[in-house]
Amino acid sequence: DGGITQSPKYLFRKEGQNVTLSCEQNLNHDAMYWYRQDPGQGLRLIYYSQIVNDFQKGDIAEGYSVSREKKESFPLTVTSAQKNPTAFYLCASSAPTSVGYNEQFFGPGTRLTVL
Amino acid sequence: AQSVSQHNHHVILSEAASLELGCNYSYGGTVNLFWYVQYPGQHLQLLLKYFSGDPLVKGIKGFEAEFIKSKFSFNLRKPSVQWSDTAEYFCAVRVGQAGTALIFGKGTTLSVSS
Repeated sequence: DGGITQSPKYLFRKEGQNVTLSCEQNLNHDAMYWYRQDPGQGLRLIYYSQIVNDFQKGDIAEGYSVSREKKESFPLTVTSAQKNPTAFYLCASSAPTSVGYNEQFFGPGTRLTVL
Repeated sequence: AQSVSQHNHHVILSEAASLELGCNYSYGGTVNLFWYVQYPGQHLQLLLKYFSGDPLVKGIKGFEAEFIKSKFSFNLRKPSVQWSDTAEYFCAVRVGQAGTALIFGKGTTLSVSS
């Protein structure tokens, strides 16, 4: 089955610890994205990557870091510098088309809780 | 900065009622428009999209949306809702043809009672 997998589904961490969220896709998509979803806030872009070894900051990148060493993988690290990390994190991907990137496909999400 | 506004935070309807969810965006150039739905416990999935052409687009499950350029709007409609339409709905905009990131509205929660 083609799709996007995120692991783990639920994640708990203590304050001051870094944690890495996994995102893998087997859709052969070039572009990948990380969003944060908070109640009543919609989805806000953290980072995105259009190609391997390249990525750009989104609107709320502070306290987060990413890497894109492989086309199918785009892990997100939530660092201790992120002041309010408890949230639902969504990974997405999209493939380029002749009129620009097509719609984004989303993974099931990871719910991070900081204790 | 570009933004997307969804006018209704929470909409409550009875089955068979008609639905219209408002979406406005603030950008004067070329846009691609999307409506996504998030059913309880499920992935965010695409309902419909507009890139160009006929401004009235039809999506899955009987949903449709109309792009009105002069009003910067992309409202979602369904003539008769079902209990299974209970979900959160997000409007999203991609600005320009070269950009790839989506700008999302804050979402509208739809509750349908049977």
